[in-house]
Amino acid sequence: GAGVSQSPRYKVAKRGQDVALRCDPISGHVSLFWYQQALGQGPEFLTYFQNEAQLDKSGLPSDRFFAERPEGSVSTLKIQRTQQEDSAVYLCASSLREIGALVYYEQYFGPGTRLTVT
Amino acid sequence: AQTVTQSQPEMSVQEAETVTLSCTYDTSESDYYLFWYKQPPSRQMILVIRQEAYKQQNATENRFSVNFQKAAKSFSLKISDSQLGDAAMYFCAYKSGTASKLTFGTGTRLQVTL
Repeated sequence: GAGVSQSPRYKVAKRGQDVALRCDPISGHVSLFWYQQALGQGPEFLTYFQNEAQLDKSGLPSDRFFAERPEGSVSTLKIQRTQQEDSAVYLCASSLREIGALVYYEQYFGPGTRLTVT
Repeated sequence: AQTVTQSQPEMSVQEAETVTLSCTYDTSESDYYLFWYKQPPSRQMILVIRQEAYKQQNATENRFSVNFQKAAKSFSLKISDSQLGDAAMYFCAYKSGTASKLTFGTGTRLQVTL
């Protein structure tokens, strides 16, 4: 079946512009995650949704970052007034569900969106 | 907060040989999961292997196996019979039993030579 898809794959923005990055999770997956991967680094957690509820946004670096998943499927990560330090690959992942320690459901990752802020 | 450390920025192995990638982590929790992910140039993260902390037996998946030393908080990945397709970035990751997010290390770039 189809995996996690993200669009666009590449985005170039001028400093100060707003951008919107889209994630289409695997159909039926309840949990959705956003990660930010700076060049040469490992991914860092940004935020997590269970259906349409944003349960953890502790990783969002500033109030310029906003994520939504209004109908519990597609999610959009929005970055307002982009800065050069926002340049990174933004990865989306989905899993069937997330219910804690005793049962684990694999997070499936999309190909990412590479954002370059000039 | 949990941290994951990969001290080998780059490793190289000859085709058909065995290589071990190192990972250490820091946590005060007793219930958690550890993972190795592979990220080829296409950027898509692929799960290689998973280890539950409550399991004493080391996980294996075909040519991939781990050495999980819970007391030492060490979690190394052994790749046997290395193939050209194994060349990629490898990330060690941690997941708490009480949280949903993954915490990643900085990665090890694996080169496979003929």
